[in-house]
Amino acid sequence: QQPVQSPQAVILREGEDAVINCSSSKALYSVHWYRQKHGEAPVFLMILLKGGEQKGHDKISASFNEKKQQSSLYLTASQLSYSGTYFCGTDYTGNQFYFGTGTSLTVIP
Amino acid sequence: GEEVAQTPKHLVRGEGQKAKLYCAPIKGHSYVFWYQQVLKNEFKFLISFQNENVFDETGMPKERFSAKCLPNSPCSLEIQATKLEDSAVYFCASSQNYPGGNQPQHFGDGTRLSIL
Repeated sequence: QQPVQSPQAVILREGEDAVINCSSSKALYSVHWYRQKHGEAPVFLMILLKGGEQKGHDKISASFNEKKQQSSLYLTASQLSYSGTYFCGTDYTGNQFYFGTGTSLTVIP
Repeated sequence: GEEVAQTPKHLVRGEGQKAKLYCAPIKGHSYVFWYQQVLKNEFKFLISFQNENVFDETGMPKERFSAKCLPNSPCSLEIQATKLEDSAVYFCASSQNYPGGNQPQHFGDGTRLSIL
């Protein structure tokens, strides 16, 4: 039931763009995105509640395709500070939250 | 408080010993969640509380794991007779409302449990 993320890992040069996908075999009610730096706690990025919803924060944005049961996180003009592991998360049943498999993002100078 | 406070930061136990972890959620948050994160970095849901009541415990290995959230006390996660495989970082998170809706989870810094 865990959402599957792709790619598992990606290495970018500073200034490049990246897309991280979160796919589910079941209908998604809402999608959360978090970033976790090594040795630290996950930090909330954004929530998408409705199919078709798009949100943005600085140069990080996300979309939610309810019909495809998928969400994508877009990082544009990546900065060194974007490095970390990105997790999507969702709730299917109304009482348990599932995190995705995670995507490791490394930005190099 | 304004942050989720987890104690201790590190805990070392010999195999077979008991381990107890604590979590103080953000004031005003009704929901508390416990997760286990091991080397693969994937999060395993353990248990959630709505105030003092267990909301969902389907992720808990019931033989050795137990958890409580009592009024006016930090929440706790206790592992009896620890095993090597229990070595992990245990995160606590709190949410104003349930995250199936529009409320994010706020995480503590985690407790790194090492079983020797």
